[in-house]
This record gives sequence, structure tokens and C-alpha cells, in this order.
Amino acid sequence: GQNIDQPTEMTATEGAIVQINCTYQTSGFNGLFWYQQHAGEAPTFLSYNVLDGLEEKGRFSSFLSRSKGYSYLLLKELQMKDSASYLCAVSDDYKLSFGAGTTVTVRA
Amino acid sequence: ETGVTQTPRHLVMGMTNKKSLKCEQHLGHNAMYWYKQSAKKPLELMFVYNFKEQTENNSVPSRFSPECPNSSHLFLHLHTLQPEDSALYLCASSARDINQPQHFGDGTRLSIL
Repeated sequence: GQNIDQPTEMTATEGAIVQINCTYQTSGFNGLFWYQQHAGEAPTFLSYNVLDGLEEKGRFSSFLSRSKGYSYLLLKELQMKDSASYLCAVSDDYKLSFGAGTTVTVRA
Repeated sequence: ETGVTQTPRHLVMGMTNKKSLKCEQHLGHNAMYWYKQSAKKPLELMFVYNFKEQTENNSVPSRFSPECPNSSHLFLHLHTLQPEDSALYLCASSARDINQPQHFGDGTRLSIL
């Protein structure tokens, strides 16, 4: 089976940095995706990692260690609009298995 | 605007009703998906279609019946649902490439009375 774990909730202050961890144990691995989902809206794609290391995209970065079954999403210079749920998803042969999501609340 | 449109956005139905959810994608993708999202739970993959052919049925009860008439349209036919089927149903599409992300619609919020 697929097992993907991430924290349920995190709170941070505007302008700060937050790191959302994701650990996984899956039968196959073709890459790891991070999605952002605002309440009542579609999940939207943030990042994709298939090789070990850090991928940077503006204020958002994602890291992968395949040997440890571990990824994190780093959100820098937090803004109020970053308050959302962040979903970690592992790809295995075109199928995505998702974690339950981490709700991030940004406070002024 | 994600390029994936789902209708209706909200649906309330009784357990004996029959209804259908519709999904349309304008991205030229050839794979489409149905997911169920319940509160505090991971998205659950229900069905996968590639080039209109169903390639995955993730042990979904037969009261959910998918239909994919072409690579741009996907339906989920509902019949004799149970209260535990109340959830957000999300449609997604992607190119047939493992490095490409799935693009999601805003979902249909389904409530079973």
C-alpha cells in the first residue's frame, strides 16, 4: 500500500519561513508533486521533484531525498494569500497517491 | 481558471436519486481522473481514463459509474448513493507523461440526504 505522511496544521507569521515535511513509503516512485489548495478551490500544481536535491521556484522550494523517502516544501517571505492546504503526492505509473494535506495559516 | 471545468459545483440528492457529474478539459490532455476528497482525508483516486479507455478502477462501488465519451469529457453517474458518499468530487486531466502534473477542476460538492 501507499503511506504518505505530512503534518495536519502549521501556523506562521507573515514574512516568515515555513517548512512542510512529507515522508512516504510507496510501492513505486516516479516523482513527487506538491499542490496548493485554497478552500473551495481546485488543487494547483506547485512543484515536481524526481531527482534528489532542491528545486527552487521563486518563494517556493521543494526538496527530495529518495533514499530517505522524504520531501519538504519551503515557503519563504510568507504572505496572507499563502494560507491554504498543501498536498504532497507521490507518482507511481501515472497514478498519484496523496497525503492528507497540511493546512498552513499565515497570521499578520 | 485551470482549464478543467466541472458542473455542477454543488449537488444535493436523496439516496434513491440518479444524477451525473460532468467534467470537461480544454488542455488537449489525453488522461482524465476522478478523485474523492473527504474532510481531513487524502484525495482518493477513483477512476483513470487514458485515450478514453478505463485503465484504473480503484475498488469503487458500482453505485459510481464513469463514462468517457472522448478525451475532453468525463462523467460520473451516481445512483443509490449512501450518506458516506458525501464529499468533494474532483476531476483532473494530464498529458500522458509521468513528469507532467495533473490539472484539477474546482470540484462538485456532493451532499447525500
